Amino acid sequence: AQTVTQSQPEMSVQEAETVTLSCTYDTSESDYYLFWYKQPPSRQMILVIRQEAYKQQNATENRFSVNFQKAAKSFSLKISDSQLGDAAMYFCAYRRESNYQLIWGAGTKLIIKP
Amino acid sequence: EAGVAQSPRYKIIEKRQSVAFWCNPISGHATLYWYQQILGQGPKLLIQFQNNGVVDDSQLPKDRFSAERLKGVDSTLKIQPAKLEDSAVYLCASSLFSGLAGNEQFFGPGTRLTVL
Repeated sequence: AQTVTQSQPEMSVQEAETVTLSCTYDTSESDYYLFWYKQPPSRQMILVIRQEAYKQQNATENRFSVNFQKAAKSFSLKISDSQLGDAAMYFCAYRRESNYQLIWGAGTKLIIKP
Repeated sequence: EAGVAQSPRYKIIEKRQSVAFWCNPISGHATLYWYQQILGQGPKLLIQFQNNGVVDDSQLPKDRFSAERLKGVDSTLKIQPAKLEDSAVYLCASSLFSGLAGNEQFFGPGTRLTVL
C-alpha cells in the first residue's frame, strides 16, 4: 500500500525568503501523479502544483516549484519569495493509479513571519 | 465557473443526534468524494461516487454513516447517531472524471462538525 510522509509538522520563514517543504512516499507503481495542495485557515483546499512521475522535468508554477527525485521517492515543494498569503497547511498527496484516489500526508503548517 | 458548494459551514450537535451535510459539485463533474479531516491530519476518504454509483465506500463506517448521490449531481452525507469522535471537518470534492490523467480534485469549503 502506498504511504505519504511529511516529516515537518511546522515550518516558518521570513517574508520574501525561500522555504522548502519535504515529502516522501512509498509505492511500487511505476507511473503515478503527485500533488501539493494548500489549505488556508478558511479550509478551502486548492491545488498548488502537480507532477507526473514519468516526466523528469520538475514542475514549476510561478513561485512554486518541486524537486522530484523518483529513485529516492522524494517530492519537495519550494516556495520562493514567500508572501503572507502563503501561510497555510500544505499537504502532499499521491494519486493511486489503480483507483485514482489520493493518499494524503499529515500536512505541514507554514508560518510566514513579516 | 462556480466552485464546489457545501452546507452548512458549521454544525454543533449532541452525541447520538443525527446530522446531514449537503454538497453540490462543479457542473459536469462525474466524480464526487467525501472526506473526513480530523484536526491536524490529512483528509481521509469516506466515499467516492462516479455519477450516481458508489466506486469505493470501504472506509465509510456504515453502521452510522450513509451517503447518496441522487441523479449523479448533489450528494448528502448523513451521520446517525453521531459520536464524539465524529468531530471533524467534512470535505466534499469533485473531479471531471477520475481516470483522466492528472485529474484535479476541486474542494468545497467544508463543514465543521462539533459533537458535544
